[in-house]
Amino acid sequence: QKEVEQNSGPLSVPEGAIASLNCTYSDRGSQSFFWYRQYSGKSPELIMFIYSNGDKEDGRFTAQLNKASQYVSLLIRDSQPSDSATYLCAVTPTNTGNQFYFGTGTSLTVIP
Amino acid sequence: DTAVSQTPKYLVTQMGNDKSIKCEQNLGHDTMYWYKQDSKKFLKIMFSYNNKELIINETVPNRFSPKSPDKAHLNLHINSLELGDSAVYFCASSLWDRVAYGYTFGSGTRLTVV
Repeated sequence: QKEVEQNSGPLSVPEGAIASLNCTYSDRGSQSFFWYRQYSGKSPELIMFIYSNGDKEDGRFTAQLNKASQYVSLLIRDSQPSDSATYLCAVTPTNTGNQFYFGTGTSLTVIP
Repeated sequence: DTAVSQTPKYLVTQMGNDKSIKCEQNLGHDTMYWYKQDSKKFLKIMFSYNNKELIINETVPNRFSPKSPDKAHLNLHINSLELGDSAVYFCASSLWDRVAYGYTFGSGTRLTVV
């Protein structure tokens, strides 16, 4: 099993703050990295993907990738109560036939 | 139109029964997957099919048998259900050569074995 580790939380931030979610992975040859958001009782939905070192921004979301340190993070600026969900990190390791390995998710609560 | 649809949404059944879950996608994707999510939210790959061909078959009991009649459908049949099979099962799809853009998940099937 290719390991993907996340702090399960729960992580609580006040409304308007920056939420920082972290993920580490074990396979140094991993290719692509994803952040999914999952509301309770719903299916995961893709927020961001990144495959190059550095930052990638999309609206209030920024994904950061550091392959040398084998971590990927997600920053959520100006957090809103609607951001309260579980955030899943997913990785495509090498030679795995397009399957994703998921972390166990970080539960985020944004307090109004 | 729902992109990836699964039926049924909920399934409650007794131990020892046989049940099926169906999945269909209308995205034109060529690769479909089954994932199992346990009570701790951990998503684990079970099977992957590309153009009806089995690509991934993780360590899953052979009571689980996938079937892909065409590249838009991937069904999951489970024989002799056990209590430990209780979980949410997600179907997903992608383009094989565009997987870097992520999967699209179905809404899930919550299976409860009693």
